[in-house]
Amino acid sequence: AQSVAQPEDQVKVAEGNPLTVKCTYSVSGNPYLFWYVQYPNRGLQFLLKYITGDNLVKGSYGFEAEFNKSQTSFHLKKPSALVSDSALYFCAVRDMRNGGFKTIFGAGTRLFVKA
Amino acid sequence: EAGVVQSPRYKIIEKKQPVAFWCNPISGHNTLYWYLQNLGQGPELLIRYENEEAVDDSQLPKDRFSAERLKGVDSTLKIQPAELGDSAVYLCASSEGGASGGARDTQYFGPGTRLTVL
Repeated sequence: AQSVAQPEDQVKVAEGNPLTVKCTYSVSGNPYLFWYVQYPNRGLQFLLKYITGDNLVKGSYGFEAEFNKSQTSFHLKKPSALVSDSALYFCAVRDMRNGGFKTIFGAGTRLFVKA
Repeated sequence: EAGVVQSPRYKIIEKKQPVAFWCNPISGHNTLYWYLQNLGQGPELLIRYENEEAVDDSQLPKDRFSAERLKGVDSTLKIQPAELGDSAVYLCASSEGGASGGARDTQYFGPGTRLTVL
């Protein structure tokens, strides 16, 4: 089955500290992985994606994600968190059974960055 | 570049009333998606359009939900009649589609319409 899991409902970090938001996936074939961020009363904003190539993907707002095939993970990271990073983060994977058009989202992880 | 536009942003109706949501995708995007997002959950696909054709509506509750994208640009999602359980955020997204579509295609989301059914 095609699925994505975000094992943490919430993550709390202090401003200036590194942050990690975890994501694991289960897909058949090559994974196509995405991270989105959602601020209150806003739609999802695209952060980054992994299609192929380098395992470390750099995205918007200083975020990056590391694809690890052996651990089937795609954790989101940022070296130094900002208070403004506080938001809801969604990991997503493409369901390749339907040509890759269907996106399966995780349940989301709420990030709290304390000043 | 303008993003995905949705209206209204908020809608409050009584149960059994009809409601409609409108979406204008990013210019040039062939693929349009409607998602349902319940509180505390990730979005779930309702329907996907390639131009004016609904190519995946398997998750759309067709007894009360309908959608259209007549000219392959704007789209409308309708619920008639609305039920209490329909209270959620309805998100529209678009992507380039076409030859560059498929798994590599990035979806861009609108701000959503928050529906409250009383």
